[in-house]
Amino acid sequence: EADIYQTPRYLVIGTGKKITLECSQTMGHDKMYWYQQDPGMELHLIHYSYGVNSTEKGDLSSESTVSRIRTEHFPLTLESARPSHTSQYLCASSDSGGSTEAFFGQGTRLTVV
Amino acid sequence: TQLLEQSPQFLSIQEGENLTVYCNSSSVFSSLQWYRQEPGEGPVLLVTVVTGGEVKKLKRLTFQFGDARKDSSLHITAAQPGDTGLYLCAGIYNFNKFYFGSGTKLNVKP
Repeated sequence: EADIYQTPRYLVIGTGKKITLECSQTMGHDKMYWYQQDPGMELHLIHYSYGVNSTEKGDLSSESTVSRIRTEHFPLTLESARPSHTSQYLCASSDSGGSTEAFFGQGTRLTVV
Repeated sequence: TQLLEQSPQFLSIQEGENLTVYCNSSSVFSSLQWYRQEPGEGPVLLVTVVTGGEVKKLKRLTFQFGDARKDSSLHITAAQPGDTGLYLCAGIYNFNKFYFGSGTKLNVKP
C-alpha cells in the first residue's frame, strides 16, 4: 500500500483565491511529481522534483508553483485561482533506486467558481 | 503532442469477452509500465516491462513489449466487471520521468 497522502480530497473555491495543495510521502522517495488530469483522461506532468531544493517544470505549462524543502513534502500553490484551473491534481513519488514504480496519492479535485 | 498514444480511447464490452489495448510511441523508452486507475483514486501499477519482446502474465492479463521498445499491448482474457477502469501506459525515459499515455477507458458490463 502506497504511503502518499494528498489533502484536501475536494476543494471548491472562488476565483482569485490563493490555495495550496498538500502532498506528503513517508517512503523516503527522492523523486516527486505533480500531474494534472481531467476526469478519466490522460495525465499531464506539471512539476517534478529529484530531491530537496530541486524543482523543475513539467511538459504542461502551469501557473502553479511548487517547493521541496523537505524530502517528504511537495506542496503545490496557486497564487490566484481561476476557473481554468479546475481539474484533478495527482501527486506521485518514486524511488531513485532500481524500482521505477510511481506511487500515487488519491488526488485533489479542485473546482474554481 | 502526446508521446504515447493509446487505442482504443473507449471500450465497452460484455463480461467474458477478450480485449486488447495498445500503446504506441515513436520514442524508445528504457522501460514501459501499465497502470490501472479507478474513479476517485490514483493510478496503481500493474506491470513493468523492460526487455524488447518481453511478455508478462498477471492472471488474466498479458502484457507485451515491442521488440523495438516503442510499443506495448495489454490483453485481457474473459473480462470481468472488476476490470473496469482507466488503463494507462507510461514510458520511463532516462530512469527519471514518467510519460503517461492518453488512456483507454474500459467498461465491462455484467
